Amino acid sequence: GAVVSQHPSRVICKSGTSVKIECRSLDFQATTMFWYRQFPKKSLMLMATSNEGSKATYEQGVEKDKFLINHASLTLSTLTVTSAHPEDSSFYICSASSGAYEQYFGPGTRLTVT
Amino acid sequence: AQKITQTQPGMFVQEKEAVTLDCTYDTSDQSYGLFWYKQPSSGEMIFLIYQGSYDEQNATEGRYSLNFQKARKSANLVISASQLGDSAMYFCAMREYDSGGGADGLTFGKGTHLIIQP
Repeated sequence: GAVVSQHPSRVICKSGTSVKIECRSLDFQATTMFWYRQFPKKSLMLMATSNEGSKATYEQGVEKDKFLINHASLTLSTLTVTSAHPEDSSFYICSASSGAYEQYFGPGTRLTVT
Repeated sequence: AQKITQTQPGMFVQEKEAVTLDCTYDTSDQSYGLFWYKQPSSGEMIFLIYQGSYDEQNATEGRYSLNFQKARKSANLVISASQLGDSAMYFCAMREYDSGGGADGLTFGKGTHLIIQP
């Protein structure tokens, strides 16, 4: 199957700082990328949908000014958690899609805010 | 209302037995897809199987099969001959397709923690 990478895999940051997470599709062009969040022992919750070259669409309750998403190319989307707080600590997973069916997940990024 | 319901938070199964993980869904769309993912403790989401709403036959992928009952809106995952390595979280998910050819992100159920015992 297609390969999607995420970087970093783990990050620890201090409260008030910003953290950028990259999601790359390595062997296909992803017209759409999705960002999910997963709290411990919970399900994945869709945060936003990003299409290359256009603004991201955020799910209800997700602050777009806090979670900045940029999808600058067909192989790269970034999620920036601005002014991070301990409650933003979570597992963030991206997925990439080139069509209506396929959706390939990255390995996830574990964010800890101290 | 929940779009994806998984009623089994945890299951213990003896190795080599078959196991059925339940999933019911709720949608008013005619066109949608149903997915099952496995998530081991490492956190990665491993795609297992897909069923489209218009597919007439149940999907199968090796030891995995999907028991699709459209009228009942259920999409149970069946794992035959379970193995110790099958121990993980299992998530059922749905993707709804719009008439423009686009697709929404996945909506996940709460998951089932499957433990295979030797």
